[in-house]
Amino acid sequence: QVQLVQSGSELKKPGASVKVSCKASGYTFSSYAMNWVRQAPGQGLEWMGWINTITGNPTYAQGFTGRFVFSLDTSVSTAYLQISSLKAEDTAVYYCARAPLGYCSGDECYQYYFDYWGQGTLVTVSS
Amino acid sequence: DIVMTQSPDSLAVSLGERATINCKSSQSVLYSSNNKNYLAWYQQKPGQPPKLLIYWASTRGSGVPDRFSGSGSGTDFTLTISSLQAEDVAVYYCQQYYGAGYTFGQGTKLEIK
Repeated sequence: QVQLVQSGSELKKPGASVKVSCKASGYTFSSYAMNWVRQAPGQGLEWMGWINTITGNPTYAQGFTGRFVFSLDTSVSTAYLQISSLKAEDTAVYYCARAPLGYCSGDECYQYYFDYWGQGTLVTVSS
Repeated sequence: DIVMTQSPDSLAVSLGERATINCKSSQSVLYSSNNKNYLAWYQQKPGQPPKLLIYWASTRGSGVPDRFSGSGSGTDFTLTISSLQAEDVAVYYCQQYYGAGYTFGQGTKLEIK
């Protein structure tokens, strides 16, 4: 069965970095895109961006450029989210979510609905 | 980015009654070449990740009970729970995947009256 298993909760100080992992199993890793979604305490879902698991090309949503990096290790079917220069407002649950890959037009590819989600990783930033 | 607006923000319905949640997109999410609406619905229960309920606006996800249905086209969509069960208490989100941005609605909290 499809599973996305994320790394455990993190407590970090402001200015530090964190790397969250999302290990996929039960399907062919490169056949689906991988997304990252943020949920601040008591708030809704915010799409951060996605990474094309075929090309490794990341796409970042507005507001998630600069300090946020998506990466892959296809040899272990794992996606990563790294956040640097952490701020208190980065405190949130971070989810990875799989999506079927759609068509590509030149360098631009598309994806569809998010059909499986990881369990979430709570990142707390506090001094 | 496409803006998704849900209504109402919260909803209380009696057990066994119908629950209806609306979602409006700032531009059409209907792709004319394949006549598909690029709209999904998710359910999030407390302390759990979201779960896919509906995709292509009206196709139920794997294992989703048939009391859940999705309808609508273009810019206006509806999620209907035909007979509310206690386990349906959750926050429900719509999402468009038509344009880059993959934006979510703000969520609708569904409770038992």
